[in-house]
Amino acid sequence: EVQLLESGGGLVQPGGSLRLSCAASGFTFSSNPMGWVRQAPGKGLQWVSSIVQSGDRTYYADSVKGRFSISRDNSKNTLYLQMNSLRAEDTALYYCAKSFRGVIINFDSWGQGALVTVSS
Amino acid sequence: QSALTQPASVSGSPGQSITISCTGTSSDVGGSKFVSWYQQHAGKAPKLMISDVSNRPSGVSNRFSGSKSDNTASLTISGLQAEDEADYYCSSNTSSGTLIFGGGTKLTVL
Repeated sequence: EVQLLESGGGLVQPGGSLRLSCAASGFTFSSNPMGWVRQAPGKGLQWVSSIVQSGDRTYYADSVKGRFSISRDNSKNTLYLQMNSLRAEDTALYYCAKSFRGVIINFDSWGQGALVTVSS
Repeated sequence: QSALTQPASVSGSPGQSITISCTGTSSDVGGSKFVSWYQQHAGKAPKLMISDVSNRPSGVSNRFSGSKSDNTASLTISGLQAEDEADYYCSSNTSSGTLIFGGGTKLTVL
């Protein structure tokens, strides 16, 4: 059974930084592209970032480009999202997700999410 | 890039069929083979229901079907059941190398 467990969420002040982690199990992590999708409270889904299997190609939504960085450690079966220069509008539940058909196409397995709150 | 356009809400009675639309542009839905649909129950993570416009991943009920015409994709749920009550989101990859979601549609089973 595929399991994705996010951690690292919390309350941070505007301009601050946070790093999310996603521990994966139940599938061959190194063979799958991965991504992050967020959902602001009461709002819809928003794709944030994706990364290919090897980690050498990454993709970002315009709203986070230059501030967020996605990475992975295939030896630890772990996905990361480094978030810098955080803004109030980054407040959301951040889902780690396993790609299904390709790196920026869709996701067939999701974690339960890590809540990030940006507020002073 | 703006979200794909979905109706805010749809409703139907048990046993009926409903259709949810998802409108984009030639740079996303219209030009993509990879429109997807997700179901999200309250407080839960999304679940992939349709991939590649009309393909159901393993385990998804055949009551769910997808189609596309020009810049508009559609999700049809037939034989509506109480458990189908949820939020539904479409998504598409884009010509600029990103992924875009629809604003979401709340399905109410009357």
